[in-house]
Amino acid sequence: GQQVMQIPQYQHVQEGEDFTTYCNSSTTLSNIQWYKQRPGGHPVFLIQLVKSGEVKKQKRLTFQFGEAKKNSSLHITATQTTDVGTYFCAGRNSGGSNYKLTFGKGTLLTVNP
Amino acid sequence: NAGVTQTPKFRILKIGQSMTLQCAQDMNHNYMYWYRQDPGMGLKLIYYSVGAGITDKGEVPNGYNVSRSTTEDFPLRLELAAPSQTSVYFCASSYSRLAGGETQYFGPGTRLLVL
Repeated sequence: GQQVMQIPQYQHVQEGEDFTTYCNSSTTLSNIQWYKQRPGGHPVFLIQLVKSGEVKKQKRLTFQFGEAKKNSSLHITATQTTDVGTYFCAGRNSGGSNYKLTFGKGTLLTVNP
Repeated sequence: NAGVTQTPKFRILKIGQSMTLQCAQDMNHNYMYWYRQDPGMGLKLIYYSVGAGITDKGEVPNGYNVSRSTTEDFPLRLELAAPSQTSVYFCASSYSRLAGGETQYFGPGTRLLVL
């Protein structure tokens, strides 16, 4: 079945440093979504990427979807303590159903003030 | 809108007991999902529903049952609780079935401890 791998599993940074998490799928994706989960909270939708090579920005966050639609990345510039949490990618298999997402295991980001 | 609501927030069960985790959404979403989240393991899909009266198994359905009698409600049933079912359970819903058009909205979660 479809697998979505995410690295790194953990990342600790000093406030102001940059952060990147990578997501790789074993199969071609129709789209990929990113979610953020604060400690003790629930996943919250951040963004969805659909097109090959797509790049989207949300303030200090930059999301990329690979040309082959099998990988994605989330980059945070100049991290802040409010960025703390676990970032999940979730992909939908291009050949599968339209309503099931496969989640990566997430990257836990901690920020030292 | 309240969005997706879940009850209870926390529950302790003894092995072999049964319980129902409640989930409701007021966004008129057709699609609803149950996930479990174990530490460091991401989200695993238990069951999902594409509309009232229609449910299907996800990745880890064993030990669970669901029903969807209305668009709003999607309860998850544990019949014989086992320690392996200790986890955080999230219910989610979404509106669109079109590829590229779907966002999942998550409830606050239910923390379940089976002893």
